[in-house]
Amino acid sequence: ETGVTQSPTHLIKTRGQQVTLRCSSQSGHNTVSWYQQALGQGPQFIFQYYREEENGRGNFPPRFSGLQFPNYSSELNVNALELDDSALYLCASSLGRGNTEAFFGQGTRLTVV
Amino acid sequence: GESVGLHLPTLSVQEGDNSIINCAYSNSASDYFIWYKQESGKGPQFIIDIRSNMDKRQGQRVTVLLNKTVKHLSLQIAATQPGDSAVYFCAERREKLTFGTGTRLTIIP
Repeated sequence: ETGVTQSPTHLIKTRGQQVTLRCSSQSGHNTVSWYQQALGQGPQFIFQYYREEENGRGNFPPRFSGLQFPNYSSELNVNALELDDSALYLCASSLGRGNTEAFFGQGTRLTVV
Repeated sequence: GESVGLHLPTLSVQEGDNSIINCAYSNSASDYFIWYKQESGKGPQFIIDIRSNMDKRQGQRVTVLLNKTVKHLSLQIAATQPGDSAVYFCAERREKLTFGTGTRLTIIP
């Protein structure tokens, strides 16, 4: 176990709806990164939060947004869901922005129908 | 642009043999290269990393080799065990992690 927990584990939403995914980082970690992993693909970087501020963003539209809270837990929000948003969403926590040893949660499997 | 690719999507290895998983990258500016293991239903698990100014690094039963001349990275797993069955990803880091598509390693008993 990595100490990174994500909720919910599975979720089904309808196209056009909004979704919020949650992540609790490992104790002592101040950096959270979110990734989208489509079936059969490697994880794609969405964005990173360091000490409550966005610290880098991948090639995702603005309808993907996030937050990091004072306890370093984080949320990923996706508005106007599209079918292609169906994927495994992974959260990774690390200590500091440049630490390669990021610890991943088990992910949230989002299905958009 | 950035890309990280793997040579083979699947690899089958006899239990007890050594496994070698290969990866090609294109971004010469990456400062770290990392290998992750992802088991079914789980998130990726850090295995080992290597700084771009190194060419070899060893861990417990694993060795990562980096050849910057041909932009090639490999992960060697010694004495492969059934628990090594998983998808293996190479990733490169500059400001963010960029993952390849993965190689599924299957262990033959």
